[in-house]
Amino acid sequence: EVQLVESGGVVVQPGGSLRLSCAASGFSFDDYTMHWVRQAPGKGLEWVSLIIWDGGSTFYADSVKGRFTISRDNSKNSLYLQMNSLRPEDSAFYYCAKGSRIFGEYYFDYWGQGTLVTVSS
Amino acid sequence: QLVLTQSPSASASLGASVRLTCTLSSGHTSYAIAWHQQQPEKGPRYLMKLNSDGSHSKGNGIPDRFSGSSSGAERYLTISSLQSDDEADYYCQTWGTDYGVFGGGTKVTVL
Repeated sequence: EVQLVESGGVVVQPGGSLRLSCAASGFSFDDYTMHWVRQAPGKGLEWVSLIIWDGGSTFYADSVKGRFTISRDNSKNSLYLQMNSLRPEDSAFYYCAKGSRIFGEYYFDYWGQGTLVTVSS
Repeated sequence: QLVLTQSPSASASLGASVRLTCTLSSGHTSYAIAWHQQQPEKGPRYLMKLNSDGSHSKGNGIPDRFSGSSSGAERYLTISSLQSDDEADYYCQTWGTDYGVFGGGTKVTVL
């Protein structure tokens, strides 16, 4: 059974930093692209970032480019999101999502339960 | 610019059917999409990947009541025999060369 478990969401002050983690199990983690998707309370889904199977390519939404860094540790079946220079508009549930094993095909077939990040003074 | 457009809301009676539409922007009408369901206070759940020719591959455990079809720039999700727990937000999603994009979501109400 595929499981994705996010952690690390907390309340942080504007300008602060935070690192989210996602522990994956139930599939060959190092075969798949992985994604972060976020959802502000009461709003729709927003794609944030992706990383291909070996970490060789990473991509970001314009809204987070230069501030967030996605990474993975295939030896630990884990995905990360380093979030710097946080802004109030970054407040959201952050979901880890399993992508495709096909390069260039970016949809998600499993989701985690989400972790809440609140940026507030 | 790759954009997905969804109606904000839809409703149908218990046991009836409802068809949701996701429209791809001009120049992107051959793109595949994915449909995702989000029940209240829960994380999203993958329903299916839907190709431009109407072929689709569903996620594990997704009932036959959920089906997909395509026509031109439009991608459809049909839910048959509506049940109370089908009341949820439904999002379509596609991708460009180095990014993902979501539609605004359709809130389905079961009457």
